[in-house]
Amino acid sequence: DAKTTQPPSMDCAEGRAANLPCNHSTISGNEYVYWYRQIHSQGPQYIIHGLKNNETNEMASLIITEDRKSSTLILPHATLRDTAVYYCIVRSSGTYKYIFGTGTRLKVLA
Amino acid sequence: GAGVSQTPSNKVTEKGKYVELRCDPISGHTALYWYRQSLGQGPEFLIYFQGTGAADDSGLPNDRFFAVRPEGSVSTLKIQRTERGDSAVYLCASSLNPAGSGNTIYFGEGSWLTVV
Repeated sequence: DAKTTQPPSMDCAEGRAANLPCNHSTISGNEYVYWYRQIHSQGPQYIIHGLKNNETNEMASLIITEDRKSSTLILPHATLRDTAVYYCIVRSSGTYKYIFGTGTRLKVLA
Repeated sequence: GAGVSQTPSNKVTEKGKYVELRCDPISGHTALYWYRQSLGQGPEFLIYFQGTGAADDSGLPNDRFFAVRPEGSVSTLKIQRTERGDSAVYLCASSLNPAGSGNTIYFGEGSWLTVV
């Protein structure tokens, strides 16, 4: 199965950029990397996804390394509302399963 | 509706009872997923539908769990003879096109199941 590895927790000062890393060294060549976040007792909220190129939307930027074995989610100006658990997920090649790891618990500090 | 809708949002049931959880995907979405999330864990895959058929049910934990999607839209997850270990949040998600196509996958708010 494809697997993702993320640090269990991170702190970030309000207004600063939050950089959340993810290792997905077993990703296959045509699989996308997705990022979601989950605020307590809510369903996962979509943030961004990408294949090879860096991506940016109104919520975040996604930087994918050239070998595609890791990526970084960037929240450019973190706010207290960004406190959540962040998951990067990939699909297990040849299956329909998108695999969640244990995620990174981001705490934005005032 | 605008998003994936799940009902009930909360369900408390007694051990041994039968439970149905419903998912209304975003209109027009052909792909539908069920996940289960226990406290402090990431969501775990249960089953994937492409249209009416279950293309991958390898995540269903045992034969007490079953899911259907008879008309290719609404799906129902059915749990027979519930056990306390079934207590979790059951999440449904949908996307426009099949898994692997790079479409955004949208999740519902989940159905919180507590078996007492």
